[in-house]
Amino acid sequence: GAGVSQSPRYKVAKRGQDVALRCDPISGHVSLFWYQQALGQGPEFLTYFQNEAQLDKSGLPSDRFFAERPEGSVSTLKIQRTQQEDSAVYLCASSLVGGAGTYEQYFGPGTRLTVT
Amino acid sequence: ILNVEQSPQSLHVQEGDSTNFTCSFPSSNFYALHWYRWETAKSPEALFVMTLNGDEKKKGRISATLNTKEGYSYLYIKGSQPEDSATYLCAFYTDKLIFGTGTRLQVFP
Repeated sequence: GAGVSQSPRYKVAKRGQDVALRCDPISGHVSLFWYQQALGQGPEFLTYFQNEAQLDKSGLPSDRFFAERPEGSVSTLKIQRTQQEDSAVYLCASSLVGGAGTYEQYFGPGTRLTVT
Repeated sequence: ILNVEQSPQSLHVQEGDSTNFTCSFPSSNFYALHWYRWETAKSPEALFVMTLNGDEKKKGRISATLNTKEGYSYLYIKGSQPEDSATYLCAFYTDKLIFGTGTRLQVFP
């Protein structure tokens, strides 16, 4: 069956440009998560949606980062006025139920963002 | 700040060797521990979600144990194969997943 997909897979942006990263979760999955993975680090939590509600955005590094999931399925992570420190792999994951503490998360392949 | 540590950072073994890695996490307020395998150019894939002290889970040649009182989990691979080459990530769940930096395993034929 279809897994989590993300697009684009690679994005090169000039410093100051806005970017939008898309995530298509597994159909019917309630929870959706965004993570940022810098080189040599583990993934770091950015934000969490339960259906269309953004329940936790404590990991967003600045107000240049914005995420939405308006219909409770597809999600977009937008980064405004990109900076070099935004260069990272952005991972999206979904889970069947809310909370996802005791349920596995299904990850997409990630979007590698390079800011020049 | 909650810290999840994994060791070793990287490991090179010969095909057929058995190996194990460690994940250390805070022993208080434990809820769940996740293990993921991430092969290059693919998506991270869940191996285990562990919740109970003393839990032991197995999937083929891979198994994991959990000690919540002392705050560690071991992942074992028996008879490593080249296709086991990947980064193995553990993640401690509180109200979100907090990942370690991973153990990168390379298995040489």
